[in-house]
Amino acid sequence: DIQMTQSLASLSASLEEIVTITCQASQDIGNWLAWYQQKPGKSPQLLIHSATSLADGIPSRFSGSRSGTQYSLKISRLQVEDTGIYYCLQRYSNPWTFGGGTKLELK
Amino acid sequence: QIQLVQSGPELKKPGESVKISCKASGYTFTDYAMHWVKQAPGKGLKWMGWINTYTGKPTYADDFKGRFVFSLEASASTANLQISNLKNEDTATYFCARVIPGYVMDAWGQGASVTVSS
Repeated sequence: DIQMTQSLASLSASLEEIVTITCQASQDIGNWLAWYQQKPGKSPQLLIHSATSLADGIPSRFSGSRSGTQYSLKISRLQVEDTGIYYCLQRYSNPWTFGGGTKLELK
Repeated sequence: QIQLVQSGPELKKPGESVKISCKASGYTFTDYAMHWVKQAPGKGLKWMGWINTYTGKPTYADDFKGRFVFSLEASASTANLQISNLKNEDTATYFCARVIPGYVMDAWGQGASVTVSS
């Protein structure tokens, strides 16, 4: 199985700050990576697909990038509503696997 | 608009069975696969597998082979997850999510909570 590692379990940042969350794949997954945001008691929401493509309706302050097998989600200017848990997901091969999640809080 | 509406919370005893439904609306049901994701209390997301809504063929992740069954009521645009011989570790919220071929989960149900306790 492909392991997806989000090294930071939690992250605290200030309003308007630039935030970067990373996810490392255990092998090449190409661009078959997505990012989700989950708020307490809610279902996950798709933010980024295909490593770098913004999902419909998602603010442009969110962006995704890739360097080899490391993937990053960047929030250019953190807003209050951006708090939550962020998960990466690989769908390159079965079983699809999620990262462990990074909890983003406001400082 | 696109909606996936799941059934309500369930409280079960070990050894019992449970069936969770996921009713889709706002799109053509058979154009999208239905995936299932488990989230134990306070834990992350775990992919369980998926069902081809056109053929009815299920695919299970290894940890979900045996006691877990994905099924369809295609005429009702509904996907179901049945778990038999429930164990304490099945206590979780179970999400359904649609996926168009070559894409990822872009719409999710609200989640169905299953609590297994004697």
